Amino acid sequence: GIQVEQSPPDLILQEGANSTLRCNFSDSVNNLQWFHQNPWGQLINLFYIPSGTKQNGRLSATTVATERYSLLYISSSQTTDSGVYFCAVRRDDFNKFYFGSGTKLNVKP
Amino acid sequence: ETGVTQSPTHLIKTRGQQVTLRCSSQSGHNTVSWYQQALGQGPQFIFQYYREEENGRGNFPPRFSGLQFPNYSSELNVNALELDDSALYLCASSLTGGPQHFGDGTRLSIL
Repeated sequence: GIQVEQSPPDLILQEGANSTLRCNFSDSVNNLQWFHQNPWGQLINLFYIPSGTKQNGRLSATTVATERYSLLYISSSQTTDSGVYFCAVRRDDFNKFYFGSGTKLNVKP
Repeated sequence: ETGVTQSPTHLIKTRGQQVTLRCSSQSGHNTVSWYQQALGQGPQFIFQYYREEENGRGNFPPRFSGLQFPNYSSELNVNALELDDSALYLCASSLTGGPQHFGDGTRLSIL
């Protein structure tokens, strides 16, 4: 299977700070997604980004498929950004998704 | 556009019982996947259904089984429940090759 490693495992920020979360994967993938899991367990789609760069408001993501990593940038963090951020990858359309173990983010007011 | 809906939201069962969880796909999606998420861990892939057939499976025993219906909704069935089956069960739907969209999950507790 594909190994997915996320770092850091835990992150504490003061409101307004910026952060970068990293996802490394061990094999070629054709599907990569970033999710935010809120304290109620809901998994929210952030980005579908098998390659390239995308931005959505204060969040942006970059995937360098040839080097097998993806980065999620959070700028001007807010307390509502707290939760766990997961990266998930898949090798092809009819294969299993592999999730990393997540980065737990706590943004303090 | 209706998102992915799961039922029930919470469920309590005892060891040895059987359980059925349900999922309605997002409109237009033809693929459904099920995941198990234990406390403090990332979701683990159980299986995926496409055109009413299982076409991918994770490391789960046969007592975990599923169905996909012609309207692309799906069921997850678990027989002979064990204490370790206590978890959040997540359903995700997608169009083949596209991004997955998750429901809010079913919290299953085994006593």
